[in-house]
Order: sequence, then structure tokens, then C-alpha cells
Amino acid sequence: QVQLIQSGAEVKKPGASVKVSCRVSGYSLTELSVHWVRQTPGKGLEWLGGFEPVDGKTIYAEKFQGRITMTEDTSRDTASMFLRGLTPEDTAVYYCATFIWAMDYFDNWGQGTLVTVSS
Amino acid sequence: DIQMTQSPSALSASVGGRVTITCRASQKTSNYLSWYQQKPGKAPKLLIYGASRLRGGVPSRFSGSGSGTHFTLTIINLQPEDFATYYCQQRWTFGQGTKVEI
Repeated sequence: QVQLIQSGAEVKKPGASVKVSCRVSGYSLTELSVHWVRQTPGKGLEWLGGFEPVDGKTIYAEKFQGRITMTEDTSRDTASMFLRGLTPEDTAVYYCATFIWAMDYFDNWGQGTLVTVSS
Repeated sequence: DIQMTQSPSALSASVGGRVTITCRASQKTSNYLSWYQQKPGKAPKLLIYGASRLRGGVPSRFSGSGSGTHFTLTIINLQPEDFATYYCQQRWTFGQGTKVEI
């Protein structure tokens, strides 16, 4: 049984950066493809990016290219998402989720991390 | 980019009733269409993948169908715990959600 445990809520000022972590338990991170999805009241669920196992690289939604970085620490079974240049429009709940490439679905989800961007 | 349009955006139903939610793709897609249920303050939960495959542990009153650009989620014999928001998803794109209310 895969469990994804995310880091706690964050409050940031515009222009700052945020790091959200996602610890995997029940499986090794190397066996999974962890992706990130955010949810805002205005834009619903929005995919940010995640690990693509065939090429062994991380792919990002075009909208966030240059502003987002996703990393994995396999020794700690922890995935992280860094988002820079925050604006109030980045205020959202950020989720990590495992993606099943065989049939293109998000299988298990973390509990979500609220990131609030406000001056 | 492919767009996924759900309809309706909200609906009212009764316990024991039946609802059908539609998800239309802006272009022909694979049948790798998934449905999620989300309750307030909780993460989305996978119900159906591959358009019609029920995830293990999901009650059989949920079913999915469709292909190409038109997909549906049907819930029969609605239970109180089914009142939630439902999303479709095709690869990196989610529908805007359908809220099922009493």
C-alpha cells in the first residue's frame, strides 16, 4: 500500500520560492513515478510535471518551464517540488501523486499542501 | 493542447437515484480516460481508469464508458457518501469538475 505524506502548509510573499516535499512509504521511490498537481478555485486541477521513467528524466508543464524544479532523494524516498517567482495566482493546494504510465492515471495521492502567496 | 469539458458543472440528485456525467475531449483521444472523486478538504481519489475499469475497492455502482471524444461516468443507487465533485482526466488534462449535490 503506497502512502504519500506531504510537508506542511506554507505562506510566502510574492517573488519568493517554495519547496513542497512528498515522502513515500510502502514502496521505494525508485519503483514509482511521482508527479505534482495543483488545485486552485479558479483553474481546478492542473498538472505541473513529474518523472518519466523511460528516459529517466523529469517533464514539466510548458506553463511552468523555467520556474519549477522537481527532484527526488531516493535515499529518503522523498520527492520535492520547488516553485520560484511566486505570485498570488500560485496560491493553491499542491498534491503529489503516483502516475501509472501504462494507462495514464494518477493512482495514489498525498494529502495536499496549501501554499498561500500574499503580501 | 487537448481540452476536457465536463457537463454538467453541477447537478442535484437524491439518495437511491442515478446520475450521468459527461466528459468530452476537444480531439479524439486514447481510451486512457480516468475519473476521480473528491470530497471537500481531501485529495482526489481514483475511481475508474481506462475509461471503464473500476479501481479495486470502488463500489460497483460506479461505472464508466465511452471512447474517442465522448466519455461518461454513471453512478446508480446514489449513496450519501457519493455526494462529491467528480473529475475526468486524460493524461495531463483534467475536466473542470462536476459537483453532485443533494
